[in-house]
Amino acid sequence: QQPVQSPQAVILREGEDAVINCSSSKALYSVHWYRQKHGEAPVFLMILLKGGEQKGHDKISASFNEKKQQSSLYLTASQLSYSGTYFCGTPGPRDDKIIFGKGTRLHILP
Amino acid sequence: NAGVTQTPKFQVLKTGQSMTLQCAQDMNHEYMSWYRQDPGMGLRLIHYSVGAGITDQGEVPNGYNVSRSTTEDFPLRLLSAAPSQTSVYFCASRARGTGELFFGEGSRLTVL
Repeated sequence: QQPVQSPQAVILREGEDAVINCSSSKALYSVHWYRQKHGEAPVFLMILLKGGEQKGHDKISASFNEKKQQSSLYLTASQLSYSGTYFCGTPGPRDDKIIFGKGTRLHILP
Repeated sequence: NAGVTQTPKFQVLKTGQSMTLQCAQDMNHEYMSWYRQDPGMGLRLIHYSVGAGITDQGEVPNGYNVSRSTTEDFPLRLLSAAPSQTSVYFCASRARGTGELFFGEGSRLTVL
């Protein structure tokens, strides 16, 4: 079952912050985050494992709450290069297949 | 390293034709998978494999076949193409026990 992402789309001005949410009706064992620029393949950002740890990647960080079956991606002081579509992906209990959400389109204006 | 290589990058088919999308990886990854991407639908899993000789269905397997005779290769076969299979197809791989999925550049398929 696909995880649900919100919002579907976000428009920001450079320097503003954004939060993208990912939730599942099933138990989450870990959460992946990817970014895809137009016409390109998705690129891995980070993986969140059980334990509620928060990870960071430059000014992009994420949290994972396995009890609430949710993860959030935080983009701080957004840059033009952050534009693209962000996907969360959730592996099953055997960590074999990864199911992705429908994505969140992020557009950064100068 | 080439990473994940998909061929062809573009293909136009007529309804009813068959074809194979090729995918090869040189990272010795156990896991390989095929996704299709359509506007507003995200990345939907077609088939996946956890090792040579082992394949399983994903979310949207109908109309597609796969096989995994070697660790490196994971071809996707369209048996009888339909306009609904017009899409961008991505192959991806990852090592067991790690998270990161490595994607190929994608194959854009149009079925007329």
